[in-house]
Amino acid sequence: AQKITQTQPGMFVQEKEAVTLDCTYDTSDPSYGLFWYKQPSSGEMIFLIYQGSYDQQNATEGRYSLNFQKARKSANLVISASQLGDSAMYFCAMREAQGGSEKLVFGKGTKLTVNP
Amino acid sequence: EPEVTQTPSHQVTQMGQEVILRCVPISNHLYFYWYRQILGQKVEFLVSFYNNEISEKSEIFDDQFSVERPDGSNFTLKIRSTKLEDSAMYFCASRRSADRAFFGQGTRLTVV
Repeated sequence: AQKITQTQPGMFVQEKEAVTLDCTYDTSDPSYGLFWYKQPSSGEMIFLIYQGSYDQQNATEGRYSLNFQKARKSANLVISASQLGDSAMYFCAMREAQGGSEKLVFGKGTKLTVNP
Repeated sequence: EPEVTQTPSHQVTQMGQEVILRCVPISNHLYFYWYRQILGQKVEFLVSFYNNEISEKSEIFDDQFSVERPDGSNFTLKIRSTKLEDSAMYFCASRRSADRAFFGQGTRLTVV
C-alpha cells in the first residue's frame, strides 16, 4: 500500500500566484516526520520544509508553508508568490521509524510548471 | 550550510562491470543512507548504515549491492556485475540524530 500519495502528477501556476501541492500519508506510528523536497532538472534533492507529527504549528520557511492536517493525514505544500525558478519536481516524504533506521519514504512527485 | 559530496556526478559502465559510488557525508553525522531514483520515478530507499553496520536494507538491495565506510569519512556503494536496470540516479544522504537528512547531489549511473 502507498504510504505517501501525491495525486497531482503535474500542476501549472502563473508566476506570482500561490499553488498548493497535495500530499497524504499513511502510518500507524505516532511519531513521524514529513518533508518536502524540490528536484530541479539538474537532479539534486533540495530540502524545503519539515513538519514533525507533534508540532503544534504548521511549518513555514520563507515562501513555503506546510498545511498539516493530522486527522486527515495530509501535509500539503503551499508555495506563495510563485517564481519561474520554482518549476521543478516536488516530492513529499515521510520519515518512518519502522525497521529502526528512520528511512524516508517518498511519494511519486508532482511536476510544477510556473508560467510567465 | 554543510554538504554531502558524491563522486562521480555521472558514471557510464558496461553491463556486467563493477562500479563504486562514493559519498563523503557530513563529518559529525551518524546515520548514512543510499537511495535510488530510476529516471522519471520516485526515490526509493536502498540501505541505511549506522555504527559501522547495515541497520536496514530494502528488497532492492540484493547480493549484488554492498556498502562500506572504509576510513571514517567515505561511504561507498558497490554494485557488482551491473545490469541495465541498475541505471538510475543514486543519492547518498546523512543525518546526525533526529535532524533531517542531508542529500548529496547524486550520481547518475548509466549501464550500457
